[in-house]
Amino acid sequence: KAGVTQTPRYLIKTRGQQVTLSCSPISGHRSVSWYQQTPGQGLQFLFEYFSETQRNKGNFPGRFSGRQFSNSRSEMNVSTLELGDSALYLCASSFEGTGAGNEQFFGPGTRLTVL
Amino acid sequence: AQSVAQPEDQVNVAEGNPLTVKCTYSVSGNPYLFWYVQYPNRGLQFLLKYITGDNLVKGSYGFEAEFNKSQTSFHLKKPSALVSDSALYFCAVRDRRGNTPLVFGKGTRLSVIA
Repeated sequence: KAGVTQTPRYLIKTRGQQVTLSCSPISGHRSVSWYQQTPGQGLQFLFEYFSETQRNKGNFPGRFSGRQFSNSRSEMNVSTLELGDSALYLCASSFEGTGAGNEQFFGPGTRLTVL
Repeated sequence: AQSVAQPEDQVNVAEGNPLTVKCTYSVSGNPYLFWYVQYPNRGLQFLLKYITGDNLVKGSYGFEAEFNKSQTSFHLKKPSALVSDSALYFCAVRDRRGNTPLVFGKGTRLSVIA
């Protein structure tokens, strides 16, 4: 079974631009979560989608948004990029979400650099 | 609110020696607890989890963890460390009640020296 895939793997953008990251979960998984990983803050939860509905949202500004499609693929968008948005963005999928005690399976991440 | 503390940023251990990576948690109810490992330029890989039942949980690559409710801890252990175990380890917790997301600790970098 194929793992979680994320595209692109690397991105370089300038301040003020916007970016869209994509995540394809493991086949059959309906829950997709997004995390931001930085050296200083560690792993911070962005949002979780389940069957196209946002089930949870972390403490990030409205510039960060996401969506999930009927095939469970998910995208996240960051508008008006700031230098502090430079990070590794990780996507994770699970069958029903961590609420049922399910472990998450992570993709390799998208490394975003904002100049 | 739920939280996780990994008190050590770095743990060094000699190859062949036992290793322990510490984790304490705080939740209002009962927890689901997880350990993940991250190798350079990779996403996180699931190691093990505590849901219910036996307090000693065995996971991948010879790792195990012990759930201690009174001390609110979930330390990761391995009897004999390998150089290939060198990586970044994350503990995570989720309250069974409500609809809160998984919360991760800041991570502990394990370095196994040959």
